[in-house]
Amino acid sequence: DTEVTQTPKHLVMGMTNKKSLKCEQHMGHRAMYWYKQKAKKPPELMFVYSYEKLSINESVPSRFSPECPNSSLLNLHLHALQPEDSALYLCASSQEGRGTNQPQHFGDGTRLSIL
Amino acid sequence: KNEVEQSPQNLTAQEGEFITINCSYSVGISALHWLQQHPGGGIVSLFMLSSGKKKHGRLIATINIQEKHSSLHITASHPRDSAVYICAAGGTSYGKLTFGQGTILTVHP
Repeated sequence: DTEVTQTPKHLVMGMTNKKSLKCEQHMGHRAMYWYKQKAKKPPELMFVYSYEKLSINESVPSRFSPECPNSSLLNLHLHALQPEDSALYLCASSQEGRGTNQPQHFGDGTRLSIL
Repeated sequence: KNEVEQSPQNLTAQEGEFITINCSYSVGISALHWLQQHPGGGIVSLFMLSSGKKKHGRLIATINIQEKHSSLHITASHPRDSAVYICAAGGTSYGKLTFGQGTILTVHP
């Protein structure tokens, strides 16, 4: 069992749908991350939240909209996605967001398929 | 040339063999991370190190800061060690990691 919980585990959606991915951690971590991972590739960073504020946006298209309602929750709102957005979406958290001297704890991911 | 290079890309071993995966990086780092990912699954952080050597069970990670090189060793390998092993360089920017391409390890019984 991972300490970072992601829901749903699988999601199939059409290009006109709106859906959300959810990530939750109760370790008191103050940094949370969204990654996108295509098959046989390493994860690509999308967003970093530090103390509930967006710290990094890696030039992600606006059809992906992150939200951090509180220190335990991270959402990724999806709208008008393209087939190339099909991937595994991973959430991670770490104790602090400034600097990288802490391990990141990953969830099991949401496997997203766009029809 | 990638900022973080891993070798080999694929590694096949027999159960019980000693395994080494190498990672070279060209960026300045605050820490070097080793991660494990099983097929279809999430990622587990194995080690985070900024100097010297760390050991956890059958896994050992070393880093040479001057040479910008790290190694992950697995002693007495087992089929359950079959996974993708990823090294990632941590800079100073808000937790951002630069990932290597990963090493696919298959251990046969």
